Amino acid sequence: EPEVTQTPSHQVTQMGQEVILRCVPISNHLYFYWYRQILGQKVEFLVSFYNNEISEKSEIFDDQFSVERPDGSNFTLKIRSTKLEDSAMYFCASSEAVGETQYFGPGTRLLVL
Amino acid sequence: RKEVEQDPGPFNVPEGATVAFNCTYSNSASQSFFWYRQDCRKEPKLLMSVYSSGNEDGRFTAQLNRASQYISLLIRDSKLSDSATYLCVVNPQGGKLIFGQGTELSVKP
Repeated sequence: EPEVTQTPSHQVTQMGQEVILRCVPISNHLYFYWYRQILGQKVEFLVSFYNNEISEKSEIFDDQFSVERPDGSNFTLKIRSTKLEDSAMYFCASSEAVGETQYFGPGTRLLVL
Repeated sequence: RKEVEQDPGPFNVPEGATVAFNCTYSNSASQSFFWYRQDCRKEPKLLMSVYSSGNEDGRFTAQLNRASQYISLLIRDSKLSDSATYLCVVNPQGGKLIFGQGTELSVKP
């Protein structure tokens, strides 16, 4: 069964450093998403991406965040200058079409020290 | 009012019990509705979509009441493996999913 993959599974970084989280969506999916979940809290939408551009972003997704599809398979989330409060689990998801089921990757656990 | 609100947990039930989860949502224009389950420190996994006519998948039954903006999930004959957090998820429009806080279920032998 096709699945979304994410790397790395864990990332520890120092405050102020840049991190890039990587995702490989399901191959025939056209819509890509990033969500985050701070420990003990609910899953929160960050951004959606379609046709090589951002479709929608949340208030959380400020100027320190960016997304990119650098090639035909990868979808990345960059955090330019990490803050302590960026520590969370980051989930990538993909779907065939908007409103259709979104399938989630296993997540990257980011810890900012 | 929260965008998606769920019953507070945890629910502790014996094996074989029937358990019901409730959820309300605030955006009346919402288009798609789902129940996901999340195991500890894992990704959300789709349990089932929720349709206006109600739908069933084995031991699981989901209902949607658009007029009341209310979604429910019923689990019959609960198994130990059903222990997880159940997430009520709403797609208001576009692709963004709005998640509830989740309700933790613990099924005991």
